[in-house]
Amino acid sequence: AQSVTQLDSHVSVSEGTPVLLRCNYSSSYSPSLFWYVQHPNKGLQLLLKYTSAATLVKGINGFEAEFKKSETSFHLTKPSAHMSDAAEYFCVVRLFSGSARQLTFGSGTQLTVLP
Amino acid sequence: DSGVTQTPKHLITATGQRVTLRCSPRSGDLSVYWYQQSLDQGLQFLIQYYNGEERAKGNILERFSAQQFPDLHSELNLSSLELGDSALYFCASSAGVTGTSTDTQYFGPGTRLTVL
Repeated sequence: AQSVTQLDSHVSVSEGTPVLLRCNYSSSYSPSLFWYVQHPNKGLQLLLKYTSAATLVKGINGFEAEFKKSETSFHLTKPSAHMSDAAEYFCVVRLFSGSARQLTFGSGTQLTVLP
Repeated sequence: DSGVTQTPKHLITATGQRVTLRCSPRSGDLSVYWYQQSLDQGLQFLIQYYNGEERAKGNILERFSAQQFPDLHSELNLSSLELGDSALYFCASSAGVTGTSTDTQYFGPGTRLTVL
């Protein structure tokens, strides 16, 4: 079985300060991991993905995440928060079995950016 | 814009009714997925179709069914609706090529279902 745990349901940062959203995964094999973002009343947008290439993955809008197998973590970071980053962020692991590809979502982290 | 379209955007109906949600995948994508997002259950995978055939099932109720048509669009049918079915329903699509690990899912904007 595979799952992801997002360690914080809410994170609040000031504009211009670093962002850290934490995610731990559980998987019986090498996982494919993703971060998606959901802005209010919008769909889900892919931020970045890890698929066993480089362990440091760069995504859109200045976000990046590092895959650490020893810690089973895939934390999302950004050096400097912007007001437009306020949204809900989901850490996701994908089943990879034959043609089955379903995603398992974490419970989400609501990011608030203070002026 | 992900290239995945869903209709309608909003749907308000009564308990006991039946509704159909529609999804058009990105051009060239063979796999379609349905997910449900609710306050108490979070985001959950419902079902996956690949080139017209069901490939995987998640936490989909027996009152719910789906299909993928020859033109690759998909419909999710929800029947005997209950208050608890109120949720945001997302469709996603991917290239769905077997054997690749770079199969990214792109999400549509969702259909918000309200059951009164």
